[in-house]
Amino acid sequence: DTEVTQTPKHLVMGMTNKKSLKCEQHMGHRAMYWYKQKAKKPPELMFVYSYEKLSINESVPSRFSPECPNSSLLNLHLHALQPEDSALYLCASSQGGQGARKFFGPGTRLTVL
Amino acid sequence: TQLLEQSPQFLSIQEGENLTVYCNSSSVFSSLQWYRQEPGEGPVLLVTVVTGGEVKKLKRLTFQFGDARKDSSLHITAAQPGDTGLYLCAGPYGGATNKLIFGTGTLLAVQP
Repeated sequence: DTEVTQTPKHLVMGMTNKKSLKCEQHMGHRAMYWYKQKAKKPPELMFVYSYEKLSINESVPSRFSPECPNSSLLNLHLHALQPEDSALYLCASSQGGQGARKFFGPGTRLTVL
Repeated sequence: TQLLEQSPQFLSIQEGENLTVYCNSSSVFSSLQWYRQEPGEGPVLLVTVVTGGEVKKLKRLTFQFGDARKDSSLHITAAQPGDTGLYLCAGPYGGATNKLIFGTGTLLAVQP
């Protein structure tokens, strides 16, 4: 199984809503990532979890809250988002280490109204 | 500061044409990767180049890593509509971490 799954595929939320994005992998990877991607732009790193601990936060606003309940799951909790947060949110996993191959999920298309 | 600059930014060509995409940096990278992303999907790894001067071929795709490990190129021969997508180079940065920085991207459209 070399797949990273993400749910939901699409999400529309208001600025006062609380929602969560979910990501799952069963490849035994110890590093998991959240990226944000605007249309026709490259993905931008948000968070990195290594061995279920947050190792990198790329100065992401606190309205985005990551969580890694176990080695297979990664969540991104959303609260009080702004319309400019609308984007494709990609989850990825890897064995870890510099240059390790990353496997990306299909993403969640988020629209904030 | 964008560490990896790609050119061209957009490319629209006819089926059967050849093309080259460039990925340049002022920094040295221990390795560079190339990904292709299709609409509605996440990026998929095409290749990793590690050695300066290295050339790798994947069917109609040829990847080259510069001798100084600061640049890379992707050449596609006889492009097909299925090659359409966003091509991204990427490299590790920030020391021995899991950070991967993506290039600015090249959006390729191959017309039948």
